Amino acid sequence: GEQVEQRPPHLSVREGDSAVIICTYTDPNSYYFFWYKQEPGAGLQLLMKVFSSTEINEGQGFTVLLNKKDKQLSLNLTAAHPGDSAVYFCAVTLNRGSALGRLHFGAGTQLIVIP
Amino acid sequence: EAAVTQSPRNKVAVTGGKVTLSCNQTNNHNNMYWYRQDTGHGLRLIHYSYGAGSTEKGDIPDGYKASRPSQENFSLILELATPSQTSVYFCASGEDWGGNTQYFGPGTRLLVL
Repeated sequence: GEQVEQRPPHLSVREGDSAVIICTYTDPNSYYFFWYKQEPGAGLQLLMKVFSSTEINEGQGFTVLLNKKDKQLSLNLTAAHPGDSAVYFCAVTLNRGSALGRLHFGAGTQLIVIP
Repeated sequence: EAAVTQSPRNKVAVTGGKVTLSCNQTNNHNNMYWYRQDTGHGLRLIHYSYGAGSTEKGDIPDGYKASRPSQENFSLILELATPSQTSVYFCASGEDWGGNTQYFGPGTRLLVL
């Protein structure tokens, strides 16, 4: 089945620095790719959804890169600020099989942005 | 804005007791999901549902039951709670296609003593 590995598990950066989180997946039928942000005591909030035909997406203060050849998905916070401190999860869905639409999650990255 | 609510938000239970976690969604989504979150494991799927009356086993269903009495409601039931079920539980809803976005509730923190 699908395996999603996420690294690093913990990341500390200074305000204004960039922060990069990387996920690798195994199933070639991986279809949609997601980044979620979880603030303390809260549920998961969608940051961005990327379709397999799209390579780069830019959001507010971050960039998502999808590399299908290497089966890699990355989240780059370009100039981190303390409000970015949270746990970030990548997740993947498959385009075939049972439980269509179910998410396969990475283990998460705890990001701390130091003022 | 999608809306998924969970109750209770915090629960303390005794070993061997019965615990019911409730989830309600107003998105009219067919699919609903129950996850648990533990340090180092991310979110793991316990049960899910394709619609009212259906429940399916996820990756870690042992010790849990689920109930979907209506489109809006999805419950997770621990018939005989154990300390290993101490965790944070999240409910989510989503559409039933490969690119669906799942919308998460705020979570329930369960402590089993």
